[in-house]
Amino acid sequence: GAVVSQHPSWVICKSGTSVKIECRSLDFQATTMFWYRQFPKQSLMLMATSNEGSKATYEQGVEKDKFLINHASLTLSTLTVTSAHPEDSSFYICSAEGVGADTQYFGPGTRLTVL
Amino acid sequence: QQQVKQSPQSLIVQKGGISIINCAYENTAFDYFPWYQQFPGKGPALLIAIRPDVSEKKEGRFTISFNKSAKQFSLHIMDSQPGDSATYFCAASRGTGNQGAQKLVFGQGTRLTINP
Repeated sequence: GAVVSQHPSWVICKSGTSVKIECRSLDFQATTMFWYRQFPKQSLMLMATSNEGSKATYEQGVEKDKFLINHASLTLSTLTVTSAHPEDSSFYICSAEGVGADTQYFGPGTRLTVL
Repeated sequence: QQQVKQSPQSLIVQKGGISIINCAYENTAFDYFPWYQQFPGKGPALLIAIRPDVSEKKEGRFTISFNKSAKQFSLHIMDSQPGDSATYFCAASRGTGNQGAQKLVFGQGTRLTINP
């Protein structure tokens, strides 16, 4: 149980284009999903907290207009990187937490490369 | 006050040995302490977690020791195997309770290598 999937697992795009990453909780309902980015050999950096049916809460320094988050259902959240630039290249990871639970379960990550 | 400090940054252990990774926190409101294991190119996987009402929790070869007064907790991997070679992250959060999901604060990570 407690499986979280991400799609795509990797994506390469041209500078200036937008990329959408999906995060799904496969066997539980996730009222809250989190989005992280991770640079090589570094820890996870929380970007935003997403609650189903409401606006995401962004961490300080994260551009909300650049990283659009939608959490339209209890099993799906999406992160859209708009007008991507090479500095947005990173490993993006989502996590999901079930109702009343303390444990976050992580997806496998999405490797974004912006050329 | 929100930081979780993790050490060492990297660790090399011989096969069969004990791997020990330490974490310290400052925020006394933290009451949930998970450890995650991450392999290259993969997302973190929950390994084991503890709450402060117990001082130790064991699951197979993995043990968390928790010292509430010192605000420290550690991961012990017994009989370390080459397949344990990965990056380990400690984390801390305030329990969900009725306040909704709480953010995890991660340590800096420890790159563990088990030599055969």
